[in-house]
Amino acid sequence: EVQLVESGGDLIQPGGSLRLSCAASGFTFSSYSMNWVRQAPGKGLEWVSYISSRSSSMYYADSVKGRFTISRDDAKNSLYLQMNSLRAEDTAVYYCVREVAEVPAANYMDVWGKGTTVTVSS
Amino acid sequence: SYELTQPPSVSVSPGQTASITCSGDKLGHKFASWFQQKPGQSPVLVIYQDTKRPSGIPERFSGSNSGNTATLTISGTRAMDEADYYCQAWDSSTVVFGGGTKLTVL
Repeated sequence: EVQLVESGGDLIQPGGSLRLSCAASGFTFSSYSMNWVRQAPGKGLEWVSYISSRSSSMYYADSVKGRFTISRDDAKNSLYLQMNSLRAEDTAVYYCVREVAEVPAANYMDVWGKGTTVTVSS
Repeated sequence: SYELTQPPSVSVSPGQTASITCSGDKLGHKFASWFQQKPGQSPVLVIYQDTKRPSGIPERFSGSNSGNTATLTISGTRAMDEADYYCQAWDSSTVVFGGGTKLTVL
């Protein structure tokens, strides 16, 4: 069974740092691009970051650029999100999402984890 | 920055057809995906590459994309289809989601 399990969410003070992890199983992790998508309480989905297979490309939403860093360890079948300088507006459920890239410009997200909750508050 | 616009809410009677639109500049030149999210659950992909249904998604879900508008159509809507629906597309190395549409089946 294809599965993504996020961890690392916590209550953290503004200005603090946190590292989220996503453990992948049931598929060849190294062959897929991955994303982090977040959802603030009662709000819609917001894309955070993307990393291609082999880590050749990384992209970020403007709202997190310079503060968050996406990475992956294919040997451990794991995706990470290092979050620094956290703000109250970063409070959200963070989802790890697999992306299928069959042909250029035709990518789609097909598998979502259950999410991990990050709360930024003093 | 690129934006996708969805109506905040759509209502439909059971058994009828629901249409949810997603508008963006030249959206028809991109591929659109649609996600369904029920309360307390993770989003689920229901349409990708404009018109394709993943395995396990009922045939009553269909999609189209032309001009500036992508549309998710649910034929013979059932009570279990009540959920939030989000469109999504890629634009210049950025993933964009629509604001979401709450589908009410009443």
